Amino acid sequence: DAKTTQPTSMDCAEGRAANLPCNHSTISGNEYVYWYRQIHSQGPQYIIHGLKNNETNEMASLIITEDRKSSTLILPHATLRDTAVYYCIVSVMDSSYKLIFGSGTRLLVRP
Amino acid sequence: NAGVTQTPKFQVLKTGQSMTLQCAQDMNHNSMYWYRQDPGMGLRLIYYSASEGTTDKGEVPNGYNVSRLNKREFSLRLESAAPSQTSVYFCASSERGVRNQPQHFGDGTRLSIL
Repeated sequence: DAKTTQPTSMDCAEGRAANLPCNHSTISGNEYVYWYRQIHSQGPQYIIHGLKNNETNEMASLIITEDRKSSTLILPHATLRDTAVYYCIVSVMDSSYKLIFGSGTRLLVRP
Repeated sequence: NAGVTQTPKFQVLKTGQSMTLQCAQDMNHNSMYWYRQDPGMGLRLIYYSASEGTTDKGEVPNGYNVSRLNKREFSLRLESAAPSQTSVYFCASSERGVRNQPQHFGDGTRLSIL
């Protein structure tokens, strides 16, 4: 599985968009980009995933560059409850669907 | 909806004791996973079960055994606990071979070994 590089920490103001970057320069053609988050000490929560097209759901948007070497998770209107560690993961969607977690980005949403 | 349920939520053991962590899911998922998370780090895969009757090692399997009891349940056993196994343990489940299906996680078991 390709490795990912994320900033250790970021912050943004409540109500503003939070843009979390991720580099995955060694991603292969059949690997998806997944985003999970972990609020405090809870279990990780799935946010969104994509292969090469931009994706949007009720939680966030995922922008993947054309060469697929990097992506950005966008939380359009961050709230205090979005303070969490965000993990960018690349993985092959095979039968076992293994995820390899890195250290993630700690996002602090300021009042 | 319960989702993924882990028991117990907290446990303290002495070095050398044995312990089984229980995990059950009610989503009819085929695949189940056990992860550990040490302070300030991401999750690391211990073992996984792609389907009922199969188990495979992950990144950090040493010191652990697993049993896929049936489709719903996947247990993790520490035969002789060591302080290095102090961690938070998460169980997860997902569909197998179905695209666009995320992993669903339980709330974790916080295990301290003295």
